[in-house]
Amino acid sequence: EAGVAQSPRYKIIEKRQSVAFWCNPISGHATLYWYQQILGQGPKLLIQFQNNGVVDDSQLPKDRFSAERLKGVDSTLKIQPAKLEDSAVYLCASSLVSGTGTVSYEQYFGPGTRLTVT
Amino acid sequence: GQQVMQIPQYQHVQEGEDFTTYCNSSTTLSNIQWYKQRPGGHPVFLIQLVKSGEVKKQKRLTFQFGEAKKNSSLHITATQTTDVGTYFCAGPPTYKYIFGTGTRLKVLA
Repeated sequence: EAGVAQSPRYKIIEKRQSVAFWCNPISGHATLYWYQQILGQGPKLLIQFQNNGVVDDSQLPKDRFSAERLKGVDSTLKIQPAKLEDSAVYLCASSLVSGTGTVSYEQYFGPGTRLTVT
Repeated sequence: GQQVMQIPQYQHVQEGEDFTTYCNSSTTLSNIQWYKQRPGGHPVFLIQLVKSGEVKKQKRLTFQFGEAKKNSSLHITATQTTDVGTYFCAGPPTYKYIFGTGTRLKVLA
């Protein structure tokens, strides 16, 4: 089966510019996650969608970051305007469902987009 | 806030030696997942533990979930160069996954 697709793979922008990332999850996966991974750290959840609804966006800097999943399939994450500290790898992941209680499902990660803000 | 810490941060071992990483959460987790991320790659799911005290094995890898469901460990027996990478635990205190700080393993041939 095809994995999680992300584009672009690399992006270099200047601070204050805007950038958008695209993610296409595994077919049939209802849950989609966007993570930010700064070099040397673990992935940090930015936003989680269940179908096209937002489950959690508590760690999304909403003054500059936005994300949407309009038809419950692919998703875009946008940063506007970018800051130097946004330099990181942005990972998209998907799972069958997000689960309830003790039941969870493994997350499948895409290759990520490496963003460099200069 | 909720934190998931892992120790050690780095570990260099000689090929054939054993390796263990420990994961500690500040809150009780409903379950815990382990992922491996190769250098330059993305996290890949290894296993999920759900029950208190659960132990699971995958060939040379042994995973354990603590009785209080606040800690976990991953033990690799007789490491190989293919084990190189960063190992992350991830747990949902509720439904949102929090990834640990990771342990970077280097295996010297």
